[in-house]
Parts: sequence; C-alpha cells; structure tokens
Amino acid sequence: GQQVMQIPQYQHVQEGEDFTTYCNSSTTLSNIQWYKQRPGGHPVFLIQLVKSGEVKKQKRLTFQFGEAKKNSSLHITATQTTDVGTYFCAGGRTGIYGNKLVFGAGTILRVKS
Amino acid sequence: GAGVSQSPRYKVAKRGQDVALRCDPISGHVSLFWYQQALGQGPEFLTYFQNEAQLDKSGLPSDRFFAERPEGSVSTLKIQRTQQEDSAVYLCASSLGRVYRNTEAFFGQGTRLTVV
Repeated sequence: GQQVMQIPQYQHVQEGEDFTTYCNSSTTLSNIQWYKQRPGGHPVFLIQLVKSGEVKKQKRLTFQFGEAKKNSSLHITATQTTDVGTYFCAGGRTGIYGNKLVFGAGTILRVKS
Repeated sequence: GAGVSQSPRYKVAKRGQDVALRCDPISGHVSLFWYQQALGQGPEFLTYFQNEAQLDKSGLPSDRFFAERPEGSVSTLKIQRTQQEDSAVYLCASSLGRVYRNTEAFFGQGTRLTVV
C-alpha cells in the first residue's frame, strides 16, 4: 500500500485562486519528486528536491521540502486552466541497490474559468 | 527513440489468459521501472532494473507477475492467469541514473489492461 500520503485528494478552484497540495511520509526520504499527469496522460516530471528545507520555484509553482525530509508541498499561485491535472509527489527511498520512488495517491486539480 | 514507448496501448484479456506488456526505454537509460496505476490512484511500484539486473521486485503482487530485461534495454512485464484485480494501467519509466543517483523518471504512455 501507499506509504506516502497526499492531501487533499481533490480540489476545485476558481481561476486565479491559489492551490496547495501536501505530501507526508512516515519515514525520512532521500529526495522528493513532483509529477503532473494530465487527464489521459502519463506522469511528467516537474522537479526534484533533495536538501532539508529546500525551496524551489518554477514560475507560479513553489515547491518545499520539510526540515525533517518527511513532508513536502506544492503551491500554485493564481491558477490557470492549463494547471488542470493530477499532481503526484514521489518520495525517494534509498535501498541497497538505489532509489525506489514511492508515489502518493495524487491531488486532482480542477480549475473553473 | 525520443521517449519511452509502451505496447500495446490497450489490452483486453479474458480471465485466466496470459499477457505480455512491452516497454522500450529511452536509449542509454540504465534504470527501468514498472508501476501499476489503478483508477484514481498514484502509480504503485512493481519492480526495478538496473541494466539487465532486476534489483528490486518487492512490489510484484504475486508470483503470476514476472518481468525481464534480458539485454538491458527492452523490458517485458508478463502476467500469467490474469484476474480481474489485475485491471489497471501499467506504466514503464526509465531514467539515466545509476545506483544511488536521483534523476528524473521518464514515463511511457502506459498499457491499459482490462481483464473481463
């Protein structure tokens, strides 16, 4: 089962409103990646965070990695209809042979114009 | 190729039938992953290859599932005696990274398997 929890499951916002999705792991992660999946499409890589407390920005998107490397968030400022899709976090777990990405269940974002 | 290619895109199988799903990763990518994505859920890890070596198969749900990557490029996921709960989208991803490297994963379009 999923070991990376993501909330909310679903969010419907008015165009121009902000949106945030949160990701929590029960164990410390080596890194966290964020992906976007459009309806009917496949996950597409957005960004990777590695350092404790790291913050990265991509235009209207802001990604944070918690100090304990157990949680992360994605914040979108002033949503647009092109932001529609499902946003997944994926926690990297280091094993003997490398990293396994464990995905959260995703947050579905719908934007009303 | 330009991206990860999976075939077939859609597969309908009768319960009890065996199926084989193919993945062509990006040329030169060392790591290859298989994930299973149920409707409305995130991808769930099945197995991981580094070149031809299957280093982690902890996510395979049963011994009916078998994956191989004999020459370190193309991979096949085989499901024997399919059951209805096997219905899902099977995603393949590849990445350039080797052991202990964190690099982005490039996903294929997936194979949607429906068991009837």
